[in-house]
Amino acid sequence: DAGVTQSPTHLIKTRGQQVTLRCSPKSGHDTVSWYQQALGQGPQFIFQYYEEEERQRGNFPDRFSGHQFPNYSSELNVNALLLGDSALYLCASSLARRAGEQYFGPGTRLTVT
Amino acid sequence: QKEVEQNSGPLSVPEGAIASLNCTYSDRGSQSFFWYRQYSGKSPELIMFIYSNGDKEDGRFTAQLNKASQYVSLLIRDSQPSDSATYLCAAMDSNYQLIWGAGTKLIIKP
Repeated sequence: DAGVTQSPTHLIKTRGQQVTLRCSPKSGHDTVSWYQQALGQGPQFIFQYYEEEERQRGNFPDRFSGHQFPNYSSELNVNALLLGDSALYLCASSLARRAGEQYFGPGTRLTVT
Repeated sequence: QKEVEQNSGPLSVPEGAIASLNCTYSDRGSQSFFWYRQYSGKSPELIMFIYSNGDKEDGRFTAQLNKASQYVSLLIRDSQPSDSATYLCAAMDSNYQLIWGAGTKLIIKP
């Protein structure tokens, strides 16, 4: 049974560019959450998708957008990258009725130069 | 502002002793609480969750919840060097959003 997968694992972008990160949830899971984690900090909630709709959103600007596909996989898009967007981006999947029991992917390390 | 507070540590515990990790939360509406373990350079891994007041045991781990005091703890018995990691406490708010603490770094000394 495949766990949560994310791609790419590492990414280097230039300030002002756009980036798309991808996530495939654990088999059987229907909910995907995205987090940003800076070094030495806890994960910061970006948004959560369920039934192809954004169910909840954290305190992130509109530059951060996402999508969930019918197969429950998800994308995170970040426009107009800033140096401060450099972080580990984590995707987590869960069942909607047990949304706190999340399974994380390995993350995508984004570096903005 | 909903917050989850943890001592950042590091918390140093001798091998074989009990490690005690603590967490407080501000949102009285939170009903579900979670402990995740994160090894350096890895993603978080769920190790315990607790929904009711009292204790919940799973192997060497015990989660404790006191909703009146808005306090959650995690005890690790017979600590092993492999338990050395950062432990993240999270509370689920009424909108099904997890509110995360910054984590406590635990070091188990052989």
